[in-house]
Amino acid sequence: DAGVIQSPRHEVTEMGQEVTLRCKPISGHNSLFWYRQTMMRGLELLIYFNNNVPIDDSGMPEDRFSAKMPNASFSTLKIQPSEPRDSAVYFCASSFVGGTNTGELFFGEGSRLTVL
Amino acid sequence: AQSVTQLGSHVSVSEGALVLLRCNYSSSVPPYLFWYVQYPNQGLQLLLKYTSAATLVKGINGFEAEFKKSETSFHLTKPSAHMSDAAEYFCAVNRGSSASKIIFGSGTRLSIRP
Repeated sequence: DAGVIQSPRHEVTEMGQEVTLRCKPISGHNSLFWYRQTMMRGLELLIYFNNNVPIDDSGMPEDRFSAKMPNASFSTLKIQPSEPRDSAVYFCASSFVGGTNTGELFFGEGSRLTVL
Repeated sequence: AQSVTQLGSHVSVSEGALVLLRCNYSSSVPPYLFWYVQYPNQGLQLLLKYTSAATLVKGINGFEAEFKKSETSFHLTKPSAHMSDAAEYFCAVNRGSSASKIIFGSGTRLSIRP
């Protein structure tokens, strides 16, 4: 079975440019998460979707960040305009919430963003 | 409120030695507990989980963890370290069944000396 698929794996861009990160969750999962990982702050939850609806975006740093989930099999995280401090590894994770599920997350391999 | 504390941001052991990574949690209700492993340049993957069944949980790659309610601990162990175990390990607690309530520890980097 395919896991969570993220693209691109690596992105190098210049300050001020728009960045779009993409994620395809595991088929059948109804929840999707975007995390950011840095050395300084560790793993931070940015936003969480349930059944394609954003439930909690309190972790989104500021208005430059936006996330969408137009359908159950695709999500994007957009940064516009990007800044050097946005450099990090961005992870997408999915999960099935409901029934006897224990709430474990399945992570993609991440998108490493470098903003020059 | 629930939280997770991992003692030691970096642990170094010799190949073949015992691995012990410490995790303490605080939770007002019986939690679900997890250990995730992150190999270099990869995402996190589930190593093992505790879901209120057996207190000793066995995971992949020879790792296991024991839930001790009296100590609010969920330490990760492996009897004999292998070079391929070098990675970052994250303890996590989930108070409910929704993954949105997962809280991750700050991680412990495990290094293996030849």
